[in-house]
Amino acid sequence: GENVEQHPSTLSVQEGDSAVIKCTYSDSASNYFPWYKQELGKRPQLIIDIRSNVGEKKDQRIAVTLNKTAKHFSLHITETQPEDSAVYFCAALKGNFNKFYFGSGTKLNVKP
Amino acid sequence: DAGVIQSPRHEVTEMGQEVTLRCKPISGHNSLFWYRQTMMRGLELLIYFNNNVPIDDSGMPEDRFSAKMPNASFSTLKIQPSEPRDSAVYFCASSLPAGREFFGPGTRLTVL
Repeated sequence: GENVEQHPSTLSVQEGDSAVIKCTYSDSASNYFPWYKQELGKRPQLIIDIRSNVGEKKDQRIAVTLNKTAKHFSLHITETQPEDSAVYFCAALKGNFNKFYFGSGTKLNVKP
Repeated sequence: DAGVIQSPRHEVTEMGQEVTLRCKPISGHNSLFWYRQTMMRGLELLIYFNNNVPIDDSGMPEDRFSAKMPNASFSTLKIQPSEPRDSAVYFCASSLPAGREFFGPGTRLTVL
């Protein structure tokens, strides 16, 4: 199967700074990589995703990069704001199998 | 689109009782997933269905747990008998093949 590892488990940044969360995966057949944001007491919400035919994708203050050779992908949040504070999960989806493999989550705290 | 619908949103029951959680996926989505989330174990995939057929139930913790999907618009997760360690938030999610996965609001289960 697939194994997704996520680092760091907690991240604290000052408002306005950038935050980077990294994930690695084990199966080179994985080809879809979403990122979810989960606020306290709420459901995970998809915030950005990338497919294996693309190296980078950006949406306003968030971006995701993918390195297929090294089998890792990262979430970048610029100009962080207190409302970015949440738990972020990465995930990987393999080929024709519709099973999502989730990382263990990163708790991001943005200090005002 | 109403998104993924789950009921009940909260359930408090006593140990030994049967618990049934319900999910209605997004119309047109043919993959459905049941997850359990706790502080200790994070987000765990319990079972997922493709076209109403269970594909992988390796995450179902034990025989007390069962899941069904009698049609494309409805699924249940049943725990019988329930135990205090089953207390968690249970999420249902749905997706198209190799597509974006959307989570329901979750059911917070407390077993006393």
